[in-house]
Amino acid sequence: NAGVTQTPKFQVLKTGQSMTLQCAQDMNHEYMSWYRQDPGMGLRLIHYSVGAGITDQGEVPNGYNVSRSTTEDFPLRLLSAAPSQTSVYFCASSQDRSIAKRSDTQYFGPGTRLTVL
Amino acid sequence: GQQLNQSPQSMFIQEGEDVSMNCTSSSIFNTWLWYKQDPGEGPVLLIALYKAGELTSNGRLTAQFGITRKDSFLNISASIPSDVGIYFCAGYGSGGSNYKLTFGKGTLLTVNP
Repeated sequence: NAGVTQTPKFQVLKTGQSMTLQCAQDMNHEYMSWYRQDPGMGLRLIHYSVGAGITDQGEVPNGYNVSRSTTEDFPLRLLSAAPSQTSVYFCASSQDRSIAKRSDTQYFGPGTRLTVL
Repeated sequence: GQQLNQSPQSMFIQEGEDVSMNCTSSSIFNTWLWYKQDPGEGPVLLIALYKAGELTSNGRLTAQFGITRKDSFLNISASIPSDVGIYFCAGYGSGGSNYKLTFGKGTLLTVNP
């Protein structure tokens, strides 16, 4: 298994440009999520999905869109990039959110480092 | 939203020393998780805690889920240079926040050989 993969690893955008950060997992996990990490802020949840066709907002959703058409993929879209979106973005997945099954271990991808000029 | 207060922000210790860090919250969490992040990598899960009062070890690491369900600590014994990194606490809250993992701001650990 490749685990959680993210592309690209690095990206530089100009203000107003759009782009999609890709995330894929090959573990048949139901739950996927996107975080951004900024210095001194820890990781903050942007959007998450509990299964194909189901998405919901996290703590900092503004400026980002997501979709979940397949179990494997969970792309994050920036429609009009802003300098405030300069950050490191992590995608994560877990089998499910059932505490009873104790299978909510989240596996993180290696991250995408995004700079918006 | 729910917040986790993690302390200390950073620690500088000598190899062989023990380390302790903790997280507190004003609201109840149902699950506490401790992650470590190496430079340029994503966080990796170290320990997961599911019941109030639970004490769990993973090698030199020990973590506890507080009785009040509002706090957790992580201890590292006999630190070694490869323990260097950022340690995050994280937790799943109750009710509507059951699917949202909240992270603390991290503790940066430096170990001097």
